[in-house]
Amino acid sequence: GAVVSQHPSWVICKSGTSVKIECRSLDFQATTMFWYRQFPKQSLMLMATSNEGSKATYEQGVEKDKFLINHASLTLSTLTVTSAHPEDSSFYICSATRQRNSYEQYFGPGTRLTVT
Amino acid sequence: GDSVTQMEGPVTLSEEAFLTINCTYTATGYPSLFWYVQYPGEGLQLLLKATKADDKGSNKGFEATYRKETTSFHLEKGSVQVSDSAVYFCALGVDRGSTLGRLYFGRGTQLTVWP
Repeated sequence: GAVVSQHPSWVICKSGTSVKIECRSLDFQATTMFWYRQFPKQSLMLMATSNEGSKATYEQGVEKDKFLINHASLTLSTLTVTSAHPEDSSFYICSATRQRNSYEQYFGPGTRLTVT
Repeated sequence: GDSVTQMEGPVTLSEEAFLTINCTYTATGYPSLFWYVQYPGEGLQLLLKATKADDKGSNKGFEATYRKETTSFHLEKGSVQVSDSAVYFCALGVDRGSTLGRLYFGRGTQLTVWP
């Protein structure tokens, strides 16, 4: 159990367009979901934390108007990269927890975004 | 601030060799410590954890001991297998303000085991 999926697994978009990435908990209800960004050979950088039904909490330096996060249900969170630029190209990973404030996170396989 | 410093890779070993991946941390208070593993094409999976000093986490032959005096949580395995080839992440969990349950990750260490 505790499977998290992401869709799409990879996406290529043109500069200036928006792209949406979905994160789903398939067999459990996720009270909290996290969105990370990972650069090559670097650590996972937490972008934001979202709890179902409330606004996401963004980390310092992350533009909330550019990276829109919606956690509309207990099994789905979406990350929308608006007006994408080449520097937004990265690997985006989501995770989910069963219990609020739990460290036990279940990770999705990630989404590779390339902006041309 | 809270952070994790992890041994840089890549690490290449022959099957049945001994593995150590070093991890040290900086944190105030009493953090929880974790090792996550990422197999090719898959998401990160929790490998083991320790929530207080001197705790030893273990799973699938891997072990790590929470050493408060040296602020370390080194990952070890006595005899690696080809199937252990993956990226290993050390992580720190600290409760800070509104982002409870937040994890801080090291950079990851790529392990390749040859038959």
